[in-house]
Order: sequence, then C-alpha cells, then structure tokens
Amino acid sequence: QVHLVESGGGSVKPGGSLRLSCAASGFNFSDYYMIWVRQAPGKGLEWLSYISGSGPYTNSADSVKGRFTTSRDNTRNSLFLQMNSLRVEDTAVYYCARVRDGYSNSADYWGQGTLVTVSS
Amino acid sequence: NFMLTQPHSVSESPGKTVTISCTRSSGSIATNYVQWYQQRPGSAPINVIYDDNQRPSGVPDRFSGSIDKSSNSASLSISGLKTEDEADYYCQSYDTSTWVFGGGTKLLVL
Repeated sequence: QVHLVESGGGSVKPGGSLRLSCAASGFNFSDYYMIWVRQAPGKGLEWLSYISGSGPYTNSADSVKGRFTTSRDNTRNSLFLQMNSLRVEDTAVYYCARVRDGYSNSADYWGQGTLVTVSS
Repeated sequence: NFMLTQPHSVSESPGKTVTISCTRSSGSIATNYVQWYQQRPGSAPINVIYDDNQRPSGVPDRFSGSIDKSSNSASLSISGLKTEDEADYYCQSYDTSTWVFGGGTKLLVL
C-alpha cells in the first residue's frame, strides 16, 4: 500500500536551514507529482510546492519562493524540501503528499508530517 | 490569485445532515476542480471528495460534493452524521500552477 514518511524536522534558529525528506513506497514514485503542505500550530493548511514526476517542473508559493527548494530522487523514491533563511513564522508541521493521477490536482495520500520549530 | 472562503465552524446533531460551503473569491468555481479533506486532531488530512463530487474508495457515501455556479461556491454535505465525523474540513482548488486551500471549517457533532 502507499506509504509516505517525512523526516528531518526539528528545532532551528531564525536564519538557519533544514532539509526535509519524504520516503515513498507502495507505488511507482516517478509516475506521480508530489507536493509539500504545511500547517502552523492551530492554523489551516498551506500549500508550499509541487514537483512533477520526472522532476523538471516545480512551482512554489510566494511565501517560500526563493527560500525553499523542492527536489526529488526517483532512484531513492524520495522527495526533499530544502529550507533556507528560516523564519519564526515557518514553524509548522510539514506534510508531503502524492498528487492523484489525472487532471484533478488533488492529494490522495499524505504522510504523517514532521514538525519544524524556528525559535531563538 | 483567488481565495477560498469557508465558515469558521458549523455544528449539527448526530443523524442529521450538514453542509459546508467554500466560496471562490474570483474566477469561476467551475474552472478548476474542488477537493475536500477531513483532518481529525493530531492526524494528517484525508481526501474525502475530489473532482468536485467524486468519492475516493473507502469514503462512505454519506459524503457528497457539489458546485454551484450561481453562488460561485462548492459544498460538502455529510448525511447521517456520526460523532466520528467531528473534524476540520478543508476545500482546495487550483489555478495557474498554484494550489489554494480554504481556511478550514470545524465541524462539531453535538
């Protein structure tokens, strides 16, 4: 069955960097777009980025553009989110999710999330 | 880009039907599909409706989705409410390479 597991979260000071990983299993990883979504404490869901199956197409939300980079390694069935210049407001649970195939632009499977805390 | 606006909270009794709205601020609601996600406290979101009105396998047929062009909104209806339906619900759509989530609605089953 489809399984997504995020890792790499933790505590970091403002201005610091973190790299999140999302390990995928149970499906042909390279066939699917993937997304990152975050949720600040007590707040709603915020889309961060997507990346195409083969990796050349990406887009990010304006809130993280220029600071966060999404990439993938299909040989390792892994998705990554490189986060630089972190701010206090980046504190959130970060989820990776698989984009359903077809044209729906919906996320059909989600990981359990990894917590990132940015604090001095 | 556009915004999706949802009521902050709704409440209803077990066994009843509740409807949660999601209004698109600009552009037609029919231009891009709308999805709905359920999120229980401490858990990841689960997709309960995609492509406006399609149910993923495993989602009970008590859950249904629709769009209304006249009000430029989408709706999620849950019939035969159960206490386990108490959760946050988010609508989501897409436009010009950007995903947009609504602010979420807390459903209380009292």
